Amino acid sequence: GQQLNQSPQSMFIQEGEDVSMNCTSSSIFNTWLWYKQDPGEGPVLLIALYKAGELTSNGRLTAQFGITRKDSFLNISASIPSDVGIYFCAGQGDFGNEKLTFGTGTRLTIIP
Amino acid sequence: DVKVTQSSRYLVKRTGEKVFLECVQDMDHENMFWYRQDPGLGLRLIYFSYDVKMKEKGDIPEGYSVSREKKERFSLILESASTNQTSMYLCASSFTSWGQFFGPGTRLTVL
Repeated sequence: GQQLNQSPQSMFIQEGEDVSMNCTSSSIFNTWLWYKQDPGEGPVLLIALYKAGELTSNGRLTAQFGITRKDSFLNISASIPSDVGIYFCAGQGDFGNEKLTFGTGTRLTIIP
Repeated sequence: DVKVTQSSRYLVKRTGEKVFLECVQDMDHENMFWYRQDPGLGLRLIYFSYDVKMKEKGDIPEGYSVSREKKERFSLILESASTNQTSMYLCASSFTSWGQFFGPGTRLTVL
């Protein structure tokens, strides 16, 4: 099955730094989603994007739905220790088709 | 809040055993999904269901089957467990295109 290209695979940053990660696809998606997975837990939905060009914020998190509908970006500002985890992007194709295609994840580590 | 629960957090089974992983959601969601998660591979869809007694294959259905006899419950079955099925298994549910809600996962080890 198709998978999304998510980069970087891992990041090591210091507390307070900003973080950027992205996902690209060869196919168009109608919805982009960003999830975070804490160690030993299931992924939790952070942000959902429904329109090309849309920019949405959730606290220190900002995500964008690319104009081409083939990519999406997630930024985290002023990182804190609880931001540690794995971040996944996911794309959804046709409306009414509930299947998601997931990226391979970005593992974020914060260096004290 | 949506709650998706999975029957076990950790499970150890022997090769050849029949394994049942249970998932229950409490929000009356139509759609339920089973994924496996392996390092570097992200989440891969095994099976999903849009309604009771309905199932569709995902991207990696081989070696697995599912059962959905009630709307709130979706079971994943490993008919004869093998070592390459050692993985984290995640269940999810959704109602519309508002995103999927995940359970905490079951880490299965097959010896």
